[in-house]
Amino acid sequence: GQNIDQPTEMTATEGAIVQINCTYQTSGFNGLFWYQQHAGEAPTFLSYNVLDGLEEKGRFSSFLSRSKGYSYLLLKELQMKDSASYLCAVSGYTGGFKTIFGAGTRLFVKA
Amino acid sequence: EAQVTQNPRYLITVTGKKLTVTCSQNMNHEYMSWYRQDPGLGLRQIYYSMNVEVTDKGDVPEGYKVSRKEKRNFPLILESPSPNQTSLYFCASSSMEVPYEQYFGPGTRLTVT
Repeated sequence: GQNIDQPTEMTATEGAIVQINCTYQTSGFNGLFWYQQHAGEAPTFLSYNVLDGLEEKGRFSSFLSRSKGYSYLLLKELQMKDSASYLCAVSGYTGGFKTIFGAGTRLFVKA
Repeated sequence: EAQVTQNPRYLITVTGKKLTVTCSQNMNHEYMSWYRQDPGLGLRQIYYSMNVEVTDKGDVPEGYKVSRKEKRNFPLILESPSPNQTSLYFCASSSMEVPYEQYFGPGTRLTVT
């Protein structure tokens, strides 16, 4: 089966760095995604990893270890607008392109 | 403007009354998908389609139907809605090229009484 685990909530301070972890189990693997979702809005794409290692995009970085079934999203220089839910998702190719999302991590950024 | 549109945005209906939620994208994407989002459960995939006339079940397909007759449209049909289908529904689309970024519609909040 497929399963994704991520912390329910995290709190961090403006200007700091926060790491949101995600562990997954999947049959077939076609990539891991991170999405950001502000309250009341649709999710928006942040990153995609299919190979092991770190992908950096501005203040956001995402890391993947396929052998460990582990990923993290790193947010640097936190801003108040980063307060949102962060969704980890895995796409598995088992004859199709199913996408499984974790329940999301609500990040609160405080001044 | 590249976008995914859904209609209606809000719907209150009664048990058993058939309804359709429309989804349309203008990005010529091959892949389209429907999700429902419930508190504490996150996004769960209902159905997805990899191209016209190709659809497949996600994790929670029971009680739903879809069709993909045209590339741009992917309607979600609830033949006999029940209260446990009260949820926030998102349609999404993506190309079949890396990074497979999914673009989400604004969501449809459905209440079944």
